[in-house]
Amino acid sequence: GDSVTQMEGPVTLSEEAFLTINCTYTATGYPSLFWYVQYPGEGLQLLLKATKADDKGSNKGFEATYRKETTSFHLEKGSVQVSDSAVYFCALSSLNSGYSTLTFGKGTMLLVSP
Amino acid sequence: DTGVSQDPRHKITKRGQNVTFRCDPISEHNRLYWYRQTLGQGPEFLTYFQNEAQLEKSRLLSDRFSAERPKGSFSTLEIQRTEQGDSAMYLCASSPGQGNGYTFGSGTRLTVV
Repeated sequence: GDSVTQMEGPVTLSEEAFLTINCTYTATGYPSLFWYVQYPGEGLQLLLKATKADDKGSNKGFEATYRKETTSFHLEKGSVQVSDSAVYFCALSSLNSGYSTLTFGKGTMLLVSP
Repeated sequence: DTGVSQDPRHKITKRGQNVTFRCDPISEHNRLYWYRQTLGQGPEFLTYFQNEAQLEKSRLLSDRFSAERPKGSFSTLEIQRTEQGDSAMYLCASSPGQGNGYTFGSGTRLTVV
C-alpha cells in the first residue's frame, strides 16, 4: 500500500536558518504530492503541491520538488521565521485511492527561535 | 464563505456513551472527508462522500462508527459505545473534486474517560 516517511522532529532552528524536511514515499503509479502545515490549535492547511515528476511546488517561500527517481518530495525554505513554527505533514494521493484520499506521514515539528 | 466548520471543538465523554460530531463543508465543495489524528501521528482516512453518497470507508471505521451526509451538505460522524482508544482529533475536510487539495476544518478533539 501507499506510505509516506518523514524525518522525525522536532527540528530546531534559529531565525533565518535554512530548512530542509525530508519526505520519501511509496505509492502505486504516479502519485500527487502535498505538504500541509498545522499551526497550534488549528486545522491543516495546504502549503504546496506537485502533481507530476520534476514539478516544483512553492508557496510563502517554501519549495518542494517532485523527484520520481528518488521517490522524494523534500520541503525547503531559505530563511525561516519564528512564525513558521508548526507541524509539517507530507502527503500523497495515488491510483490506489483513485486520487481521492490522502496518505499522510507522521509529521515533523519545526521550532524556530529568535 | 468561512471555510470548513466543525462542531464541537472539544468533547469529553464517558466510556460507553455515544457522541456525534458535525461538519459543515465549503458550500460549493461536493466531496467531504473524515480523518482521525492521534497524538504524534498524521491524519488517517476514515471515510468520504461525494454529494450524499458515501463512496469509501476505511478498515479503521468499525461498526461503532457511522457517518452520514444527508442532502449532500453537512455531515455527521457518530461513535457509539465509545472506548478510550477512540480518543483523538477528528478532522473534516472538503474539496471541489478529485485530485485537488483539501480544505480542512479545525477538528473536534474527543477525549474518552
